[in-house]
Amino acid sequence: NAGVMQNPRHLVRRRGQEARLRCSPMKGHSHVYWYRQLPEEGLKFMVYLQKENIIDESGMPKERFSAEFPKEGPSILRIQQVVRGDSAAYFCASSIGTRGLVEQFFGPGTRLTVL
Amino acid sequence: GENVEQHPSTLSVQEGDSAVIKCTYSDSASNYFPWYKQELGKRPQLIIDIRSNVGEKKDQRIAVTLNKTAKHFSLHITETQPEDSAVYFCAASNTGNQFYFGTGTSLTVIP
Repeated sequence: NAGVMQNPRHLVRRRGQEARLRCSPMKGHSHVYWYRQLPEEGLKFMVYLQKENIIDESGMPKERFSAEFPKEGPSILRIQQVVRGDSAAYFCASSIGTRGLVEQFFGPGTRLTVL
Repeated sequence: GENVEQHPSTLSVQEGDSAVIKCTYSDSASNYFPWYKQELGKRPQLIIDIRSNVGEKKDQRIAVTLNKTAKHFSLHITETQPEDSAVYFCAASNTGNQFYFGTGTSLTVIP
């Protein structure tokens, strides 16, 4: 059973470009969470999604950031018109989510560098 | 919303000694408290968790205690080894809708 997959692992973008980060949850998991981690800091919640639904996006900036988790395919975190301050590690985590099984398992992260 | 505070931010112990990391939370509705270990450049990995209907949970050298009244929970690592060196994060969640993480504790075990 493969773990949570994220790609790309490293992404370099110039200011103003778009960044697309992908997350494939563990098999059988239908809940996905995205977090941002700045160097030597903790994990900041961004958004929580279930298949085809955004459940909680209170941690995500209102502008330039969007997330989706379609019926088929990976969850995508999209950052438009990136700025240097967007440079960070972005982790996704997945859980079964039902029957009280809320344990989260993290992917390896995507390290975004904005030049 | 929930606010999780974690102390200390850095901790150095001699190999074989115990390490204790403490977290407090503010939302009495939080009922699930996981701990994660993150090695440099790696993903956070769940090492132990506890739910609000339990006061203590142990897994070999790792234990977690929860005091619901005081709203704090702690991670205890006994007989520390160099490979325990990492950053440890606590978190609190209510029904799994959102997880609030502490700011992390960088643990160094000195051989």
